[in-house]
Amino acid sequence: SQKIEQNSEALNIQEGKTATLTCNYTNYSPAYLQWYRQDPGRGPVFLLLIRENEKEKRKERLKVTFDTTLKQSLFHITASQPADSATYLCALDMEGYSTLTFGKGTMLLVSP
Amino acid sequence: GAGVSQSPRYKVAKRGQDVALRCDPISGHVSLFWYQQALGQGPEFLTYFQNEAQLDKSGLPSDRFFAERPEGSVSTLKIQRTQQEDSAVYLCASSTTGQYQETQYFGPGTRLLVL
Repeated sequence: SQKIEQNSEALNIQEGKTATLTCNYTNYSPAYLQWYRQDPGRGPVFLLLIRENEKEKRKERLKVTFDTTLKQSLFHITASQPADSATYLCALDMEGYSTLTFGKGTMLLVSP
Repeated sequence: GAGVSQSPRYKVAKRGQDVALRCDPISGHVSLFWYQQALGQGPEFLTYFQNEAQLDKSGLPSDRFFAERPEGSVSTLKIQRTQQEDSAVYLCASSTTGQYQETQYFGPGTRLLVL
């Protein structure tokens, strides 16, 4: 079965810096990968989707890369703000179905 | 428009009790998913409906877990004879058609605590 690893420790950065979160996976290569944001007491909220034939995707201050050779996706938040503090989850398709396999998530703390 | 709603938001049950968790998906969304999220973990897939048909229930941890969506809209996740290990947040998500690569919209979850 697919295994997903995200930064196990919380990531602490200072406001204005770029945050980089890692998502590594084993076994088969997914056709696409999604990133979600989750705040305490709330459900995940979709941020970005990147397909296997795309190397990079951007949306405002967010950038996602997808390296199928390394089996890794990187998620960047530039000019980070305290409001970006949350847990970020990566999710992969489960062998071509609509259901998703999620990583444990990485907690990001942006201090002013 | 309204998003995915879930009720109750919090549920405390005594071990051995049955519980029922409700999900109201976004109106018109064909697909509905249930996930279980333990503390400090990511959501784990439980089951998936397309309209009223349960297409995948491979993630249900035991036969004490049962889900239904009889009219293709509201769904109920039922847990019989609850155990302490069932304590978790139960998340419901819906998507427009359930097509491959589609975004899922999540509800706030039901936090279940089994004593």
